[in-house]
Order: sequence, then C-alpha cells, then structure tokens
Amino acid sequence: KQEVTQIPAALSVPEGENLVLNCSFTDSAIYNLQWFRQDPGKGLTSLLLIQSSQREQTSGRLNASLDKSSGRSTLYIAASQPGDSATYLCAVGSTGANSKLTFGKGITLSVRP
Amino acid sequence: NAGVMQNPRHLVRRRGQEARLRCSPMKGHSHVYWYRQLPEEGLKFMVYLQKENIIDESGMPKERFSAEFPKEGPSILRIQQVVRGDSAAYFCASSPPSTYTDTQYFGPGTRLTVL
Repeated sequence: KQEVTQIPAALSVPEGENLVLNCSFTDSAIYNLQWFRQDPGKGLTSLLLIQSSQREQTSGRLNASLDKSSGRSTLYIAASQPGDSATYLCAVGSTGANSKLTFGKGITLSVRP
Repeated sequence: NAGVMQNPRHLVRRRGQEARLRCSPMKGHSHVYWYRQLPEEGLKFMVYLQKENIIDESGMPKERFSAEFPKEGPSILRIQQVVRGDSAAYFCASSPPSTYTDTQYFGPGTRLTVL
C-alpha cells in the first residue's frame, strides 16, 4: 500500500527566501507524481506533473524533482512571495494513466511580508 | 472552457438524511474521480468512473455510499443516511482520455456538514 508523507506540516518563511518542500513515498513503483496547491476553502490547482521516467519539471519559479529509487520528491520555490502562502500537496499515481492519486497531508506554507 | 464544476458548494444535512453531490467534468473529459478530505486529513481516493462504468471503487465505504456517471449529465456521489463522520470536503476531479495527459483537474469541492 502506497503511503505519502510530507514533513513538516507547516512552514513559515520571510518573503524572498528560496525554499524546498519535501515529499516521500513508500513504494517506488510509481507512474507519476504531482504537486498541487490548495488555498483555504478552495479546490486544488495542479502545479507540476513529473512522469516516472523524468527527473524534474519546471514552471516559472517552481521546480520539482523526482528520485524514484529513494522515494523522494522536492518542490523548490524560488524567491518566495506572500502570494505563495497556501497548502502544498504531493500526490502519487501508481498504476498508470488515469489512475487514482495517493496524497500526502500537505505542507501549509506561510510567507511573511 | 469551464473548469470542473461541483454543486452545491456547501451542503448541510441532518443525521439520517441523504446527500447528493454533483460533478460536471471539464468539456471533453471522460474520466471522473471522487476524493474525500476529512478535517486534518489528506485527500483520500474514493472512486474512479468513466461514462456508465465504475472502474475502481476501492476507496468507497462499503455501505451508504454510491456513485454514478451516466451517459448524459453529471457524475453523482450519493450518501445515504448520513452520519456526523461523513462531514468533510468532497472533491471531484476529471481527466481526458489517457492518450492526452495524466493530469487530474480538480473542482472547488462540496463541503458537507452533518448536524
């Protein structure tokens, strides 16, 4: 059974800091990994999707890496801004295209002005 | 192209009543997923449907919960005889046929409160 862990549960940083959010998973036989952002009371917004054959994906100030062998992914946020404050969720797809996602509990990020 | 739509956004039910949650996938999407987010918990997969077929219901509670995705109209998640433990946010996601992308697009959720 796949389990996804995100530690710490909460993080507070000053504006402008570069930061790394960690995600670990127990079963390395994954199909893909997604990072989502969730704002309070809202739905999820997909940030980055990494296929199992890929090592990283980049979008703007965000960079996500994947190390299947060690069961880890990181989301790197450059030059953080108060607008980045949200909960960041890591989710693993294990069985192929259109498969269910297994989520971590998320990391709640607060960027202080 | 409108995103995934869910209604109602908020639903209040008394114990023992029925709750019906609706999800309209994005245009062109034929795959629908339902997830539940309990307070202080992560999102948990419930069921995966294609038009008129349940593909994976491994996350659905065995009793009181059912889901459908008819040929016409939205997907429905139905909870019969609700209990307080059913209070949660229920999210629907959709994706296009698998040859296009693996990304799941999420709706805004329905927040169910059971009194």
